Amino acid sequence: TQLLEQSPQFLSIQEGENLTVYCNSSSVFSSLQWYRQEPGEGPVLLVTVVTGGEVKKLKRLTFQFGDARKDSSLHITAAQPGDTGLYLCAGTRGASKLTFGTGTRLQVTL
Amino acid sequence: SAVISQKPSRDICQRGTSLTIQCQVDSQVTMMFWYRQQPGQSLTLIATANQGSEATYESGFVIDKFPISRPNLTFSTLTVSNMSPEDSSIYLCSVWTGNEQYFGPGTRLTVT
Repeated sequence: TQLLEQSPQFLSIQEGENLTVYCNSSSVFSSLQWYRQEPGEGPVLLVTVVTGGEVKKLKRLTFQFGDARKDSSLHITAAQPGDTGLYLCAGTRGASKLTFGTGTRLQVTL
Repeated sequence: SAVISQKPSRDICQRGTSLTIQCQVDSQVTMMFWYRQQPGQSLTLIATANQGSEATYESGFVIDKFPISRPNLTFSTLTVSNMSPEDSSIYLCSVWTGNEQYFGPGTRLTVT
């Protein structure tokens, strides 16, 4: 059973466009992480959010954790080709064991 | 931080054989995990590798199929036994440092 659903599954946009990726669950998580994975590599952590309603910014990336700690979003402003990759949300419930979302594959073209 | 290496990086194996994947970490860590990532999909946790005791397996994964060793705090192995084409996946080792989870580059397995 996949507890974290991401949408959209695939996204192909042009350089300069904005986009939002959603991560939704019916379960409450104590924290939620966002990762980016490139081909031939493992996922790399982008951010961790732990407080309901929390917003974190990482350059052109904005992450939000839902008030009820069941959902999260990732917004990218002015996407660049270097943003291309597989974006994964992952939740934890207390311990270090992660439950990964279904993934969003982003392609940014010139 | 933690730097993780995996061997082999990729392999092509015949049905019915077994492959052992090695994971080496550059520092001592308590928590090590093994994940599977099927082509184009997300990650699924196989098991937690416990140092000095048997691994803890997630639902749908069993020790006979995926035996795991964890002889010390920097090393673990995952064996994929009696392989079938359905086992074709990327297998990733991961560690929790107390602050962050780090992943190895993965082992791409193709079973023919």
